Amino acid sequence: DVKVTQSSRYLVKRTGEKVFLECVQDMDHENMFWYRQDPGLGLRLIYFSYDVKMKEKGDIPEGYSVSREKKERFSLILESASTNQTSMYLCASRTGGQETQYFGPGTRLLVL
Amino acid sequence: QKEVEQNSGPLSVPEGAIASLNCTYSDRVSQSFFWYRQYSGKSPELIMSIYSNGDKEDGRFTAQLNKASQYVSLLIRDSQPSDSATYLCAVRKGGSEKLVFGKGMKLTVNP
Repeated sequence: DVKVTQSSRYLVKRTGEKVFLECVQDMDHENMFWYRQDPGLGLRLIYFSYDVKMKEKGDIPEGYSVSREKKERFSLILESASTNQTSMYLCASRTGGQETQYFGPGTRLLVL
Repeated sequence: QKEVEQNSGPLSVPEGAIASLNCTYSDRVSQSFFWYRQYSGKSPELIMSIYSNGDKEDGRFTAQLNKASQYVSLLIRDSQPSDSATYLCAVRKGGSEKLVFGKGMKLTVNP
């Protein structure tokens, strides 16, 4: 079974803090993705990575950065958290030859 | 026009009825189409994928694709209360690794 794990289910941070969200997959997938999900706005792609050290901006990259130093791990970084980054963050992974995209359990982030 | 649009919903059907969920997409080069189910508080899971025009059946679920009309739908036959969830339509363009998601439609199946 493919497993995508995220470091925290719930996180509370203060405005201006640097926040790290970690995602790990155990199936040697090339592609990894970070989304945020907000009521009424659906799932929006922040960044994705198709290989180690490779990254591409998604639809809403502003205020975020990512790091992929190892194939199994994809980190999302909020350089200076703001209240409008309060959201559910979902990581996903997929191998290039398959269509099924597997999601992690999500991290609900609250920025105060 | 948004890239992927779903009916605003929510949709409520009685147990045993057919639930019909619809999705339109704007980019004609889209090649792969998916339906994800998301239970409240959980992450999305893939339930159907379809790549060519016509119908694809899997148990009680049927996905329908019409590329000329840029339309994809999901039919759930004999709806069960356990089908109550938000259903997300997703589209992938050829040559892209990105999925574009619709906003989702909340389905409630009433016993």
